Amino acid sequence: NAGVTQTPKFQVLKTGQSMTLQCAQDMNHEYMSWYRQDPGMGLRLIHYSVGAGITDQGEVPNGYNVSRSTTEDFPLRLLSAAPSQTSVYFCASSPTGTGANVLTFGAGSRLTVL
Amino acid sequence: QQQVKQSPQSLIVQKGGISIINCAYENTAFDYFPWYQQFPGKGPALLIAIRPDVSEKKEGRFTISFNKSAKQFSLHIMDSQPGDSATYFCAAERGSNYKLTFGKGTLLTVNP
Repeated sequence: NAGVTQTPKFQVLKTGQSMTLQCAQDMNHEYMSWYRQDPGMGLRLIHYSVGAGITDQGEVPNGYNVSRSTTEDFPLRLLSAAPSQTSVYFCASSPTGTGANVLTFGAGSRLTVL
Repeated sequence: QQQVKQSPQSLIVQKGGISIINCAYENTAFDYFPWYQQFPGKGPALLIAIRPDVSEKKEGRFTISFNKSAKQFSLHIMDSQPGDSATYFCAAERGSNYKLTFGKGTLLTVNP
């Protein structure tokens, strides 16, 4: 099992550019989420999904879009990148219905916006 | 509003010592409290978790102590080893709403 796979691992963007961070999981997990990690700020939830076709906002959703067309994939889109979006992004998944959110994280995608 | 406050930000411990990381929460509806461990360049991984109906949970050298009345919980690492050097995050969740709220993290360094 590959677990949670994120691509790319590193990306440099210019302000105003758009891009998509990819996330795929092969564990048949219904729940998937995106977090950003910034120094001294911990992990903050951006968006999450409890199943295909269902998404919701987390703590810091502004500037990001998501969709969930399949159980396996949960891409994160930046429509117009800003320097404030420079961060390390983590995708995480979890089985549904556990009542205790045991997240499996990907290895992260480091994004720099110039 | 920071719902989970974690301290200290960084911690240096000698090999064989006890590492203690503390967290406090505000929302009494939280009912699941996990700790995640993150090594450099890797994603966080679940270390140990507790529910508020127990006051302590131990797994090997790792123990969570939980004080419901004080709304505090802590991670104790006994006989700390250099391989334990990592960033530790406490977190809290309310019911099954799938929104884990993380603390800001503690960078633990265990010197040989």
